[in-house]
Amino acid sequence: EAGVAQSPRYKIIEKRQSVAFWCNPISGHATLYWYQQILGQGPKLLIQFQNNGVVDDSQLPKDRFSAERLKGVDSTLKIQPAKLEDSAVYLCASSPGIGNEQYFGPGTRLTVT
Amino acid sequence: KQEVTQIPAALSVPEGENLVLNCSFTDSAIYNLQWFRQDPGKGLTSLLLIQSSQREQTSGRLNASLDKSSGRSTLYIAASQPGDSATYLCAVSPLTDSWGKLQFGAGTQVVVTP
Repeated sequence: EAGVAQSPRYKIIEKRQSVAFWCNPISGHATLYWYQQILGQGPKLLIQFQNNGVVDDSQLPKDRFSAERLKGVDSTLKIQPAKLEDSAVYLCASSPGIGNEQYFGPGTRLTVT
Repeated sequence: KQEVTQIPAALSVPEGENLVLNCSFTDSAIYNLQWFRQDPGKGLTSLLLIQSSQREQTSGRLNASLDKSSGRSTLYIAASQPGDSATYLCAVSPLTDSWGKLQFGAGTQVVVTP
């Protein structure tokens, strides 16, 4: 069974530029999560989808971050414009449903200069 | 607000010794608790998931216990090996708020020396 796929793996951008990350969850998983992990900290949830609906986006900085999950499968997370403090690893996870075990992708390491 | 703490932040043990990793949380209203392993530059690998109704869960050399009333979980790794070197994170899924999301501790970085 293929795991959670993410791309790109690494991205370096200058502040005020925009960037997008892509995630393909495990086939059949209804729930998809985006986490932000700053160096030395545990991951923090940004947004949670159930199929193509948003369950929780309370910690998503909506003035600059946006995410969508069209057709309830793939998802894209966008940052526009980026700030220095957005430098982090962005992790995508999926689970069969809410409350089930979560499976993580390899992450995208973003560096904002 | 739920707070998840892992102490110590780093740990070094000689090969063969048993590892004991601690996780504490402030709100006992949890749906489940999950332990993960993270290797440098990699994503998270799920090790064990304990439902709130369970007291422990085992997989091979790994055993995790859960004491909801005291807000603690412990991950035991028997007979450690250099390949166990990684950062170990625990995370709880709250019953309240939007359940399903995970709230993580900062992790314990483990080094097993040959």
